[in-house]
Amino acid sequence: ILNVEQSPQSLHVQEGDSTNFTCSFPSSNFYALHWYRWETAKSPEALFVMTLNGDEKKKGRISATLNTKEGYSYLYIKGSQPEDSATYLCAFSGRASGSRLTFGEGTQLTVNP
Amino acid sequence: EAGVAQSPRYKIIEKRQSVAFWCNPISGHATLYWYQQILGQGPKLLIQFQNNGVVDDSQLPKDRFSAERLKGVDSTLKIQPAKLEDSAVYLCASSSLTRTSGGRGYEQYFGPGTRLTVT
Repeated sequence: ILNVEQSPQSLHVQEGDSTNFTCSFPSSNFYALHWYRWETAKSPEALFVMTLNGDEKKKGRISATLNTKEGYSYLYIKGSQPEDSATYLCAFSGRASGSRLTFGEGTQLTVNP
Repeated sequence: EAGVAQSPRYKIIEKRQSVAFWCNPISGHATLYWYQQILGQGPKLLIQFQNNGVVDDSQLPKDRFSAERLKGVDSTLKIQPAKLEDSAVYLCASSSLTRTSGGRGYEQYFGPGTRLTVT
């Protein structure tokens, strides 16, 4: 059974704060690490797919890093806005599992105006 | 490009009743997935189709859940009879057959989900 863990489970920040979350995953048989943002009543939206150790990806105020040797990824949000409020999910895929994704439980972010 | 469509968006049923969910994937996507997301947990894969064949249904409770993907396009997921613990969001996702260039690794595109409440 693959273990993908995210922390914290939930987070409340003020508008303008910067924040970050952690995703830990098995370091063996790694193929890709996905980050999704899921707003209430909407479809989960892909943020990043990372495959190489040391990868850093950026999309506007959101960025992510990947360490496959130690099995973790960080997601950073700079200058949080209320519209960033969502659940952030990470998902792991292994070399042997094809396209199957194993998700963490998510970090629920609330940004207060 | 139209996204993944799902219906209904919300459903409330009593335990022991039956329910069916429908998914229309992105045009041309060979692979289709059904996930169950229980409150407070991450999405869990129930079944994966490639075209109209089942690739992985190891986590599908086959005594009450069934799914089909006739003609390799639309898919339906059925629960019969429903239990209280089936209350969840049921997500459908699709991806293209091959791992895309640039290491994007089978990127999956999700529908908005069906929120099922079993009372």
